[in-house]
Amino acid sequence: GIQVEQSPPDLILQEGANSTLRCNFSDSVNNLQWFHQNPWGQLINLFYIPSGTKQNGRLSATTVATERYSLLYISSSQTTDSGVYFCAVERDYGGSQGNLIFGKGTKLSVKP
Amino acid sequence: NAGVTQTPKFQVLKTGQSMTLQCAQDMNHNSMYWYRQDPGMGLRLIYYSASEGTTDKGEVPNGYNVSRLNKREFSLRLESAAPSQTSVYFCASSPTRMNTEAFFGQGTRLTVV
Repeated sequence: GIQVEQSPPDLILQEGANSTLRCNFSDSVNNLQWFHQNPWGQLINLFYIPSGTKQNGRLSATTVATERYSLLYISSSQTTDSGVYFCAVERDYGGSQGNLIFGKGTKLSVKP
Repeated sequence: NAGVTQTPKFQVLKTGQSMTLQCAQDMNHNSMYWYRQDPGMGLRLIYYSASEGTTDKGEVPNGYNVSRLNKREFSLRLESAAPSQTSVYFCASSPTRMNTEAFFGQGTRLTVV
């Protein structure tokens, strides 16, 4: 099956710093989502981004599908950004499948 | 709109007991999913329902059964709980099965002792 690798596995930042999280995947995809799992365990949709670039406030994401990676940028980090960030992809089987496969996540800790 | 609602939020079972996790969505989505999350890992798919009336196995289906009761509701049943099923369970839904954004419930934390 498709492999989804996220890096780094752990990241500690000082409040106000910027960071880039990476997601590599091993096959063609037709769906890619970024999620934030907050300290209470809730999964929050950040971006639905199978290709291209999107921005939402201090967060932005870029997916280069042809090179099989996606990046999540967090600028001016805040303590509320702490949690685990997951990348999830759906392999492009040409119409016969369609399930999200998750990476193991990047655990972000933002210190005040 | 509530989105995806799961009940219960917490549950403790004894080994061998059975229980059903409930999930309902109010977004008129066709596809629904059950995932489990274990410490240090991402989510793994247990079962999914591409549309009302259909269900299929995911990556880790052993020990579970599902029912797509109607378009809104998708339940997960543990017939004889085992300690290995201690996990956090998430229900999700999406408009269709492919190329669309999935939305998740708040999770059910299940402990089997």
